This record gives sequence, C-alpha cells and structure tokens, in this order.
Amino acid sequence: DIQMTQSPSSLSASVGDRVTITCRASQTISIYLNWYQQKPGKAPNLLIFAASTLQSGVPSRFSASGSGTDFTLTISTLQPEDFATYYCQQSYSTPHTFGQGTKLEIK
Amino acid sequence: QLQLQESGPGLVKPSETLSLTCTVSGDSISSSSYSWGWIRQPPGKGLEWIGIIYYSGTTSYNPSLKSRVTISVDTSKNQFSLKVTSVTAADTAVYYCARDLSGGTYFNWGQGTLVTVSS
Repeated sequence: DIQMTQSPSSLSASVGDRVTITCRASQTISIYLNWYQQKPGKAPNLLIFAASTLQSGVPSRFSASGSGTDFTLTISTLQPEDFATYYCQQSYSTPHTFGQGTKLEIK
Repeated sequence: QLQLQESGPGLVKPSETLSLTCTVSGDSISSSSYSWGWIRQPPGKGLEWIGIIYYSGTTSYNPSLKSRVTISVDTSKNQFSLKVTSVTAADTAVYYCARDLSGGTYFNWGQGTLVTVSS
C-alpha cells in the first residue's frame, strides 16, 4: 500500500493568513493526488484533483502543486469558512489511501 | 444534480454482517462509465478507503478488509451496496458512498451514515 503522510497534523492560523499543507507519498504517484476539505459532521468535499486542478466552484484562493512524492496545498488568504480538516488522497493505485488529515484551526 | 444517499442499520451486533446501500439519484448507474466506492471514518479519526466497483463490474478492496468486504451494484434499483462480515467494534464508523469520476477521484459523496457495532 502507498502511505500518505501529511504535515502538520494541526495548524493554527488567523483570517487573512497564507497557509501551506504538505503531503508526502511513500512512493512516486506522478500527479495522482487529490485534496479534500471536511467540515465537522459533513462529508469530505473535493477541492483539487490531479495534483493541481481546481474543482469547479472551489475559490481561487486554493491552489496546489507537486508531482512524484511531494505535494502542497496552499490557501492564499484564509477565510472563516476555510477552517476545517484537509486530507490528501492518492489515486495512483488501490487501495486509494488518504493522509491522516490536517486540522486547520482559528488562532 | 447527482445525489447519493446511504441507508442501512445504525446498530450491528459483533460477529454479524454490516449491510449498507447507496441510492443514486440524478444519474443512472448502468448508463454511466463511472465507478462507485465506499469510504469510512471512525469517530474522531481519519478516512479509510474500503473499496470500489468499477463500471466494468470489477471490484477492488482494501487488503486490510478484503476477506470481509463485498461491493455490488443493483442496476434495477440504481443502487450499490456494501457488506462487511464478522464485524467488531473496530468497524464502528461513519460510512460514506462516493462516485469516482476519474480513476480514484471521488467527486461526489453521500452525507454518510453512522454504524455502531455493539451488543
């Protein structure tokens, strides 16, 4: 199985900040990497697919990059609705493993 | 607009079989070339991929669950289902069904259903 490791596991930030979350795969996955946002009590919501493609309807303050084993998700200017947990997920091979999540909290 | 809705018992006894159904509305399972998956989330923990059924009918399961999991499609009801046998407390989780539009990318999710394993 491909292991996905996110860092940090939690992050405190303020509205207006720029934040970056990283995700590392245990082996190369090309650009088969997706990012999801999950709010408490809700299903995950796809933000980014194929490492850097913004899903329709997702604000442009979200961006992502990477290939191979190292990936990043950046939120350029944090908004109140962005405080949530973020997961990376590889779609290179089954099982389609997820990172452990990064909880973004208000400072 | 596509909607997915999980349904099934919220309480299952240890050693019994967990059975869930995902009803798809807004699209036909049989007419599309998409795949359909199940993901779960134990309370307070992260997401765990359970398995997928491809449009071809082929399935793939998480090796950690493989011997206990079956995913199937009922095109007549526009549903797909999940069965997990010999459940234990470790199978307590919110179970999500999802549509895979692109080789493992889950674009659409159900709201999730909590299944508790307890006697």
